[in-house]
Amino acid sequence: DADVTQTPRNRITKTGKRIMLECSQTKGHDRMYWYRQDPGLGLRLIYYSFDVKDINKGEISDGYSVSRQAQAKFSLSLESAIPNQTALYFCATSGRSPLAGPTDTQYFGPGTRLTVL
Amino acid sequence: GQNIDQPTEMTATEGAIVQINCTYQTSGFNGLFWYQQHAGEAPTFLSYNVLDGLEEKGRFSSFLSRSKGYSYLLLKELQMKDSASYLCAVRDHNTDKLIFGTGTRLQVFP
Repeated sequence: DADVTQTPRNRITKTGKRIMLECSQTKGHDRMYWYRQDPGLGLRLIYYSFDVKDINKGEISDGYSVSRQAQAKFSLSLESAIPNQTALYFCATSGRSPLAGPTDTQYFGPGTRLTVL
Repeated sequence: GQNIDQPTEMTATEGAIVQINCTYQTSGFNGLFWYQQHAGEAPTFLSYNVLDGLEEKGRFSSFLSRSKGYSYLLLKELQMKDSASYLCAVRDHNTDKLIFGTGTRLQVFP
């Protein structure tokens, strides 16, 4: 079973719709992240959370919101989707426990391909 | 500010050696990561450097020079499956966030 899962894997929606992307992890990590990836722009950080009570904006948070429902779950919402939010979205996790690998390495989910028409 | 530069594309031949360079500027450095990403898939962790020098892991090695703000990923005995994008990422000491470069797309030809 995958350690970091994302649902849905693909989604096509219309402008103005509210969309929620979900991320779950079984790695026991305390830190979770949401990125978007666009051709030629690389991975850009949307929001991140270092523990359940800690939520922080990344470099491109406008138009997005997040919820950290539990240590293992981190959801990304688009309140009113627009076409330039069409992208590949990745969730990632990291942790500082001895079991977490070399110093806070981030591990990525499989991605959600979102298309906004 | 923070900036990471790496070549956009590279090509190489199966069995050869290729070096992918990454230069960075950051206000506070706390480690450099290399990830591999096949088209449409998730990035997967390859290597981590925080001290100067070479880290070797099988066919892949990564080098870091903090004074020069420079790293490279060395891939030996190239295989067709190594065709992918390679992402350089720097962790900022002050925020603990990763800043990613735009990636280098490597194509391996027979």
